[in-house]
Amino acid sequence: GQNIDQPTEMTATEGAIVQINCTYQTSGFNGLFWYQQHAGEAPTFLSYNVLDGLEEKGRFSSFLSRSKGYSYLLLKELQMKDSASYLCAVMDSNYQLIWGAGTKLIIKP
Amino acid sequence: TAGITQAPTSQILAAGRSMTLRCTQDMRHNAMYWYRQDLGLGLRLIHYSNTAGTTGKGEVPDGYSVSRANTDDFPLTLASAVPSQTSVYFCASRGGEGGDEQFFGPGTRLTVL
Repeated sequence: GQNIDQPTEMTATEGAIVQINCTYQTSGFNGLFWYQQHAGEAPTFLSYNVLDGLEEKGRFSSFLSRSKGYSYLLLKELQMKDSASYLCAVMDSNYQLIWGAGTKLIIKP
Repeated sequence: TAGITQAPTSQILAAGRSMTLRCTQDMRHNAMYWYRQDLGLGLRLIHYSNTAGTTGKGEVPDGYSVSRANTDDFPLTLASAVPSQTSVYFCASRGGEGGDEQFFGPGTRLTVL
């Protein structure tokens, strides 16, 4: 079957760095996405990885290892507004997104 | 640019009643999707449409139907609602020159009693 695993909840301190991991098993692979979702709002796109390695975009970076079925999202210089759920999703062989349940990130001052 | 709009924002519906959730996008995206999001679960695909005139079933299609008469609109209909359809419903679209990411509407919170 298809499966996306990520931690349910993480807590970090304002100004610090946090890494959110995602492991996946899917039928085919056409890229991995990270989305941010604030409570009561729609998911918004953060990053896309299709090749192995690190993609950096400002304070956010995303890493992919296709051979390990593994990705992480790295958030630096955490701000209170980063408190949100972070959703990992894999595009399968049918170009449909398979979603993880999301990681709720709590930022403490 | 409005992006994707959904209506209504929220709704309380009696079991057995029918309802259509509306979704409209102005980005001329070819692909559109309906998801439901329940606590503790990932977004689950209900139905999708790769282009106007075509639709397909997702992971959880039972009890739902869709149509795609044109590029902009992708309504989702519940023919006879049941309490297990209580959820937050998101419409999304993908396409254009921006890449493969999906853009989401604001969601409809539906409660079936």
